[in-house]
Amino acid sequence: DTGVSQDPRHKITKRGQNVTFRCDPISEHNRLYWYRQTLGQGPEFLTYFQNEAQLEKSRLLSDRFSAERPKGSFSTLEIQRTEQGDSAMYLCASSLDDREGTDTQYFGPGTRLTVL
Amino acid sequence: GQSLEQPSEVTAVEGAIVQINCTYQTSGFYGLSWYQQHDGGAPTFLSYNALDGLEETGRFSSFLSRSDSYGYLLLQELQMKDSASYFCAAHTGGFKTIFGAGTRLFVKA
Repeated sequence: DTGVSQDPRHKITKRGQNVTFRCDPISEHNRLYWYRQTLGQGPEFLTYFQNEAQLEKSRLLSDRFSAERPKGSFSTLEIQRTEQGDSAMYLCASSLDDREGTDTQYFGPGTRLTVL
Repeated sequence: GQSLEQPSEVTAVEGAIVQINCTYQTSGFYGLSWYQQHDGGAPTFLSYNALDGLEETGRFSSFLSRSDSYGYLLLQELQMKDSASYFCAAHTGGFKTIFGAGTRLFVKA
């Protein structure tokens, strides 16, 4: 068990560029979450996958954001036409559906995005 | 809207007991979790309550009252390493997890 990994750890981009982040969850975990966190705030839910199906997406998420989990393993989060307001830490978390509803989420180290 | 409220800061001395409260307003609520986050680190899971009552895990305990939409995290025998941010998080039936803004705990010697 190597934990949740994210790549890259840091990304600096210019406004208007597209960026893509990758998350590799714990191997047997079927649930995967993406969050965004800004300084002094809690993680803000973006989207949720159960296996390869995207079952929930925040209504706050604009059409510039898209996420995939094509084979139910790793996931990607793409932000198109980045804006300065997109600057944040993007966190990925995974958990196992243990049928008891505990949903212990294991977080990756995050990708820090800076939009200039 | 769906929201959680918790105090922004709490200060306590080493060896003491501290309680961090959380009130929530969500639809489809089915459980409350607590996470710890050190500066520059990722959130790590501490505790989960689905039913009313107290759950104890070592020095940390968590309480839930569904009728009051209220929970708390209790930290005993505080240590300097407990200085961190603590988040309550509500799990909803729509697979959405909603986090509070966090409580920053300062432990003083």
